[in-house]
Amino acid sequence: ETGVTQTPRHLVMGMTNKKSLKCEQHLGHNAMYWYKQSAKKPLELMFVYSLEERVENNSVPSRFSPECPNSSHLFLHLHTLQPEDSALYLCASSQSLAGGLDEQFFGPGTRLTVL
Amino acid sequence: AQKVTQAQTEISVVEKEDVTLDCVYETRDTTYYLFWYKQPPSGELVFLIRRNSFDEQNEISGRYSWNFQKSTSSFNFTITASQVVDSAVYFCALSEVGGATNKLIFGTGTLLAVQP
Repeated sequence: ETGVTQTPRHLVMGMTNKKSLKCEQHLGHNAMYWYKQSAKKPLELMFVYSLEERVENNSVPSRFSPECPNSSHLFLHLHTLQPEDSALYLCASSQSLAGGLDEQFFGPGTRLTVL
Repeated sequence: AQKVTQAQTEISVVEKEDVTLDCVYETRDTTYYLFWYKQPPSGELVFLIRRNSFDEQNEISGRYSWNFQKSTSSFNFTITASQVVDSAVYFCALSEVGGATNKLIFGTGTLLAVQP
């Protein structure tokens, strides 16, 4: 595997389900990110982790719970979601958090549909 | 506040035409970075270019070129002799410098459709 991988690629869940999104980066990077991409809206940064520590939680509802067990893996745990949470969830990584100096590498995303 | 505006929601061209994607940004910082990313139908954003605020030289990479003008706060992207494989959503983004999170501020994207 190379780059940033995400599983599953597609997920359909009910409002009462609990599911998790997984991201893995094979680039040796130290920072990882979760973004939400909704139709006709800019990408929204949700969470940022650096060396497994969360450094930003961008006012995300508590029904989204991130976990970063090591610098290569990032999870997004989902529970009691709403239909408006349906979106493409993108994971990204970068070498560091040096603003602008390290480009972010993105995974292919998980297309989430909440029924 | 920082903001990136991509006024063109969708553009459709015929193969071999040239096309320019517009990007206008707002920031109070004197030091910042601008980016372009491509998002093909497969979903992942592909990094195309990074430009810092002190470098206003235009850049050319194959069929791609970028025009950075601080006077108009614009960072436009031109594809010359477009091809069907260029069909994608293109995002312009702005990065804070010195912030704690390497945060990218994205525009809403421009969907480019290149017809054969």
